[in-house]
Amino acid sequence: AQKVTQAQTEISVVEKEDVTLDCVYETRDTTYYLFWYKQPPSGELVFLIRRNSFDEQNEISGRYSWNFQKSTSSFNFTITASQVVDSAVYFCALSERTAGNKLTFGGGTRVLVKP
Amino acid sequence: EAGVAQSPRYKIIEKRQSVAFWCNPISGHATLYWYQQILGQGPKLLIQFQNNGVVDDSQLPKDRFSAERLKGVDSTLKIQPAKLEDSAVYLCASSPNGQGVLFQGNTIYFGEGSWLTVV
Repeated sequence: AQKVTQAQTEISVVEKEDVTLDCVYETRDTTYYLFWYKQPPSGELVFLIRRNSFDEQNEISGRYSWNFQKSTSSFNFTITASQVVDSAVYFCALSERTAGNKLTFGGGTRVLVKP
Repeated sequence: EAGVAQSPRYKIIEKRQSVAFWCNPISGHATLYWYQQILGQGPKLLIQFQNNGVVDDSQLPKDRFSAERLKGVDSTLKIQPAKLEDSAVYLCASSPNGQGVLFQGNTIYFGEGSWLTVV
């Protein structure tokens, strides 16, 4: 079974629209961390956020916000007022205590922001 | 602070040839990873080092892939002989702390990747 599922393979929006990326995870650990990374066309994975399993507070950073809900095992990511520079592939990832400090990635969601 | 450095950035080889990728992690980072990312998929862990020891190589195809991290700093990933299905981006990454009793879910920082095409 997939540990991290990103059901949306591609989302296309027009600039200034909001876009929400879904991430559902599966783990039996009570201690785990969730991450979001951005992968622009250059290929480098850029770290966006890290959240531990004991902190369910939502977080906002500029135009980015994250909604963590343990009850539904989801860690969704919203880009508000999207810009062309937001075009990239976004990955959700899970790090579990029993698996050590390594990441299990979802399949990614490609976001295309059109001017 | 310099990021994770990788080379070469791009490589095209014929099947059955060999190739080697080099990685220099962020200074002071104890843990180093190699991930394989096939086009359209998420990265998959190949091998994890802590200092110069292997922590996890369960997903490394050992009949053709090998990796080493001499002196606990730089690392090399080798493929020999390459197959068509090895065409992928090979991402090196590092994180600050090693494995310990305390799991910290440390942030893992990635390089730009080495793009391999096997023809």
